[in-house]
Amino acid sequence: SQQGEEDPQALSIQEGENATMNCSYKTSINNLQWYRQNSGRGLVHLILIRSNEREKHSGRLRVTLDTSKKSSSLLITASRAADTASYFCATEGSGNTGKLIFGQGTTLQVKP
Amino acid sequence: EADIYQTPRYLVIGTGKKITLECSQTMGHDKMYWYQQDPGMELHLIHYSYGVNSTEKGDLSSESTVSRIRTEHFPLTLESARPSHTSQYLCASSDWTSGSAMGEQYFGPGTRLTVT
Repeated sequence: SQQGEEDPQALSIQEGENATMNCSYKTSINNLQWYRQNSGRGLVHLILIRSNEREKHSGRLRVTLDTSKKSSSLLITASRAADTASYFCATEGSGNTGKLIFGQGTTLQVKP
Repeated sequence: EADIYQTPRYLVIGTGKKITLECSQTMGHDKMYWYQQDPGMELHLIHYSYGVNSTEKGDLSSESTVSRIRTEHFPLTLESARPSHTSQYLCASSDWTSGSAMGEQYFGPGTRLTVT
């Protein structure tokens, strides 16, 4: 079964609104990463949060991590039409395997 | 933009043909990965490599094979393509070193394969 599960699967909002996506995982982790994928393209790394961090910011992105609940959230503030994409969380799991396990992704549509 | 390239970007091919998907990176990364992704779905790791002459099967069983003769090059081959191989194939690399936590992976643009 997948390490990461995300919800919602799809989200549609108006430009200027905030978008929140959630990710849950099953095993202990070293860090959790978020990626964006535009339609038909490869993934682009957005942000990495370590297991000893609770919150991290990067521009309009805010990521939180709750290791007790094995969950993370990605908040995009003041969304833009260009934010329309799929967003994936990814975890390595414990053991420093050098491999990432990706969640199912949230498809975000931002309407102009 | 990551310095990792995939060719072709799109490929439509008939059943039974042999195909090779190319992936190259200029970042000097030892670790490289192949993922398979169906539209709107999660990525599944099908192959990875920790360096030259190292290849491992991923978490999803795949009929494809890979080779790693040069650091920068990690091609994926299907000996006999079938319609069930229709998917998007994504190549990635990282500078992860054994014993350390996983960092960022850099992705190529993907190859969308259709087998008719």
